[in-house]
Amino acid sequence: QKEVEQNSGPLSVPEGAIASLNCTYSDRGSQSFFWYRQYSGKSPELIMSIYSNGDKEDGRFTAQLNKASQYVSLLIRDSQPSDSATYLCAGGGNTPLVFGKGTRLSVIA
Amino acid sequence: GAVVSQHPSWVICKSGTSVKIECRSLDFQATTMFWYRQFPKQSLMLMATSNEGSKATYEQGVEKDKFLINHASLTLSTLTVTSAHPEDSSFYICSARDLRDYYGYTFGSGTRLTVV
Repeated sequence: QKEVEQNSGPLSVPEGAIASLNCTYSDRGSQSFFWYRQYSGKSPELIMSIYSNGDKEDGRFTAQLNKASQYVSLLIRDSQPSDSATYLCAGGGNTPLVFGKGTRLSVIA
Repeated sequence: GAVVSQHPSWVICKSGTSVKIECRSLDFQATTMFWYRQFPKQSLMLMATSNEGSKATYEQGVEKDKFLINHASLTLSTLTVTSAHPEDSSFYICSARDLRDYYGYTFGSGTRLTVV
């Protein structure tokens, strides 16, 4: 059974702080990993994708992948109230994406 | 970027009726589309993988006779919920893989189905 595990939260951070979201996965065959942001009642939107070990930065977001530890993380710098949402971690490759249950992030102004 | 259009965005139907949801890839060809269902405060659960020109592959526990999937062209997949019941009320989301973006997946906007 392929699984992606996330802490459901809620994770509360003050505005301007760094939010750190973590995810582990069970399928060593997974080649690509994604972080999606989902607002209540809306469809997920892609924030970051990462395929290689190490860090990938895009604006305020940094994704980190460690395939040896089967660990993926997302850092959000200078968190804003508009970042408050549920963040879904997903992994896959040639197979359909497997999603974690999501971490609810609350950025407090 | 890749765009996936999903319609309708919400639908209310009577118990026992059927509802069709459409998913279109607007600027790319999608040989594979995926259908997910999401209950409140839960994660996305894959229902089936839709392949153009062939039968869909359903996940364990998903009734293929109840959730009919048709992927007749490279840009259109449909999900029909047949004989809907209140327990089928959920948020249904389609996703398509744009092979121009390495393993990239784009989601439709979702359909909120309420069966009364």
